[in-house]
Amino acid sequence: ETGVTQSPTHLIKTRGQQVTLRCSSQSGHNTVSWYQQALGQGPQFIFQYYREEENGRGNFPPRFSGLQFPNYSSELNVNALELDDSALYLCASSPKGRGRAVYTQYFGPGTRLTVL
Amino acid sequence: AQKITQTQPGMFVQEKEAVTLDCTYDTSDPSYGLFWYKQPSSGEMIFLIYQGSYDQQNATEGRYSLNFQKARKSANLVISASQLGDSAMYFCAMSVDSGTYKYIFGTGTRLKVLA
Repeated sequence: ETGVTQSPTHLIKTRGQQVTLRCSSQSGHNTVSWYQQALGQGPQFIFQYYREEENGRGNFPPRFSGLQFPNYSSELNVNALELDDSALYLCASSPKGRGRAVYTQYFGPGTRLTVL
Repeated sequence: AQKITQTQPGMFVQEKEAVTLDCTYDTSDPSYGLFWYKQPSSGEMIFLIYQGSYDQQNATEGRYSLNFQKARKSANLVISASQLGDSAMYFCAMSVDSGTYKYIFGTGTRLKVLA
């Protein structure tokens, strides 16, 4: 069984640029969540996709956007990068179905983004 | 509002001894789940253990157990027989039945196991 994978591993961008991060969910999982983890802090929820539709969003501006594809892989796009966007971006997948409250989320290794 | 609090920024434990990492939570939802994750320096979040709000017994997974005290709203992680490889950041997280099923994380505890 293949776990959650993310690409790239590391990325360096300059302020104002745009970036796309990618995530492949674990086999059989239909839900992908994205988190931002700044240095020394716990992860913060960005948004979640369930069967290609956004299923909730955290307190992040619209320049953070996402997609989920029919194979349940996902992308996180960030426009107009700011210095504070420097962080570890974590993707997590889970086998969520309607009507249940909690599912264990399985995380990928993360993408470390540095904005100069 | 939901919140997770981890009050121990750092902990030390001798190899082969047990250690307890504290976690308190706040939610008014009756249905929720509590999770512990380990994050080594590589960055990946590794799932350790899960406790559901309606579970009557404390969860256990190998050397990990979760001391769930619902009335106190605490969900402490107990690691028995610590190993050098247990040195890492540990995060407590909560998921509630709010429609989004997002995780809310604490600030983490850095555990260092001493030889």
